[in-house]
Amino acid sequence: GAVVSQHPSWVICKSGTSVKIECRSLDFQATTMFWYRQFPKQSLMLMATSNEGSKATYEQGVEKDKFLINHASLTLSTLTVTSAHPEDSSFYICSAPPPRGRETQYFGPGTRLLVL
Amino acid sequence: GENVEQHPSTLSVQEGDSAVIKCTYSDSASNYFPWYKQELGKRPQLIIDIRSNVGEKKDQRIAVTLNKTAKHFSLHITETQPEDSAVYFCAARPPYGQNFVFGPGTRLSVLP
Repeated sequence: GAVVSQHPSWVICKSGTSVKIECRSLDFQATTMFWYRQFPKQSLMLMATSNEGSKATYEQGVEKDKFLINHASLTLSTLTVTSAHPEDSSFYICSAPPPRGRETQYFGPGTRLLVL
Repeated sequence: GENVEQHPSTLSVQEGDSAVIKCTYSDSASNYFPWYKQELGKRPQLIIDIRSNVGEKKDQRIAVTLNKTAKHFSLHITETQPEDSAVYFCAARPPYGQNFVFGPGTRLSVLP
């Protein structure tokens, strides 16, 4: 149980376009989801916390107008990279806190974004 | 906020030897410490975790120890195998939220 899916798994786009990434909790409800970015050979860095029914909380240095987050339902959060540039190329991973009684987070499979 | 450091950044061991990765954290109130294994291009996979009220936990070839006083915790892998080769991340969960703060990672190579 506690599966998180992410779509698409990879995307290539031209500079200046927008890309939407979906994160779904498949068999549990998640009022909170986390969005991480991971550059090659680096750790996972939290970008923002997505909250169902309210605005996302962004980490320092993350542009909220560039990385739009919408927590549309208890099972879906989306991250939209607006006007993407080559420096936005990265591995984006979402995660959700576990159902009650469990400790760890459940990660999506990640989305590899390449901006040309 | 919480800050997690991890050493070494790279580690090479011979198959069958043990590997030890150490992490330190800054927030003494952090209460949960998971370890993740990440293979190239894949999601992090939880391999073991420990709560702040426990000093040691073992699961077959993998063990984690926690020293709350010193604010450090370590991952121990015994009888390493080539399939243990991956990047390992430690993390700490601060008490004020559900999020984790990750260490920078250790690239483990098990040489046959």
